[in-house]
Amino acid sequence: EAQLLESGGGLVRPGGSLRLSCVASGFAFDKYGMNWVRQSPGKGLEWVSALSGSGGTTYYSDSVKGRFTISRDNSKNTLYLQMNSLRAEDTAIYYCAKRKRQYLSYDAFDIWGQGTSVTVSS
Amino acid sequence: EIVLTQSPGTLSLSPGERATLSCRASQSISSNFLAWYQHKPGQAPRLLIYGASSRATGIPDRFSGSGSGTDFTLTISRLEPEDFAVYYCHQYSGSPLPFGQGTKVEVK
Repeated sequence: EAQLLESGGGLVRPGGSLRLSCVASGFAFDKYGMNWVRQSPGKGLEWVSALSGSGGTTYYSDSVKGRFTISRDNSKNTLYLQMNSLRAEDTAIYYCAKRKRQYLSYDAFDIWGQGTSVTVSS
Repeated sequence: EIVLTQSPGTLSLSPGERATLSCRASQSISSNFLAWYQHKPGQAPRLLIYGASSRATGIPDRFSGSGSGTDFTLTISRLEPEDFAVYYCHQYSGSPLPFGQGTKVEVK
């Protein structure tokens, strides 16, 4: 059974940094593009970033471009999100999500983790 | 950049009733790359529909998706108690990959 498990969330001050991790199991991790999606308190889902299976192609939302970096280590079946220059509006639950089909540049997200909570506050 | 607008914001219905949720895109979505997700508090979102009308693995046939171009619909034929949740549409035809703002289906 395919599963994703996020970690690394916590409380950080404005301007600080945090690195989220997402460990995958039950599928050929290196063959699938991956994404980060967040949900701020009381708000809806917001796509944050995407990464190809090889790690060679990345995409970011305008709200995080230049501050967040998505990456992966296929030898460890792990996806990362390095978050720098954090702002109060980055407070959210962060989910990692797997693309449904292998090798596609764009696809629906069929497997999601349970999320990790990030709070940016002084 | 494509913007997705869902309506209504909240749908108040009773178990057994039919739910019809709408998602309108600001421009045509190529190849009908439109998905629907169900999200309950404290849980991971769940993929229901992809490609506008294909049910994901394990999704009951009371859930159906339709539409093309800019107008899409998620229909729940007969609401079960476990169907009360927030539903999001999502376009994945190209970056960015926005979600709609969500429709909450609540018990009347």
